[in-house]
Amino acid sequence: AQKITQTQPGMFVQEKEAVTLDCTYDTSDQSYGLFWYKQPSSGEMIFLIYQGSYDEQNATEGRYSLNFQKARKSANLVISASQLGDSAMYFCAMSYITQGGSEKLVFGKGTKLTVNP
Amino acid sequence: EPEVTQTPSHQVTQMGQEVILRCVPISNHLYFYWYRQILGQKVEFLVSFYNNEISEKSEIFDDQFSVERPDGSNFTLKIRSTKLEDSAMYFCASPGRPDYGYTFGSGTRLTVV
Repeated sequence: AQKITQTQPGMFVQEKEAVTLDCTYDTSDQSYGLFWYKQPSSGEMIFLIYQGSYDEQNATEGRYSLNFQKARKSANLVISASQLGDSAMYFCAMSYITQGGSEKLVFGKGTKLTVNP
Repeated sequence: EPEVTQTPSHQVTQMGQEVILRCVPISNHLYFYWYRQILGQKVEFLVSFYNNEISEKSEIFDDQFSVERPDGSNFTLKIRSTKLEDSAMYFCASPGRPDYGYTFGSGTRLTVV
């Protein structure tokens, strides 16, 4: 079954430093998508970055990059030059096609990132 | 940028009462989803809806839950007889181009007392 694992319940980083949030996934499918979402304390889910399983280059979006290692089934999020506003929960998620033929998105348990001044 | 709109933002209801959560998804999208997040926990899939039918549902989505698209724009999640454990944030989501991610609504925080 498709599964996302985030092993870091909480992470701390100093402002302006880089931080890596870990994500591993489990699937036997060849085609899938990997996403990272940010959830601030206000509760909304904010899309950050996407990586397709066939994309050979790591995705980047401003200060966010996704370190995609397909053989290791990992999709770590790297945030460069952390800002105080980056303090939030971060969720890794994977989309795939179910046996019934519909698309589904499953989430990991999340990592709470705290950026210290 | 297209948005997914959810109402109400907060709802408090008594156990056993019916609640209806509303969503206006992105208009030209075909798939719509409901997700649930119990406070401090992971985001859980409830149901997906495609072409006016349920395409997939989780084991959480039992007979107490139903979804409808009554007027071609609104997308509703109904809980017939709420239980304390239904207290959670409920998100509606609408996927577009993969590199744009799934667009989530701002959520409805449901509290069952």
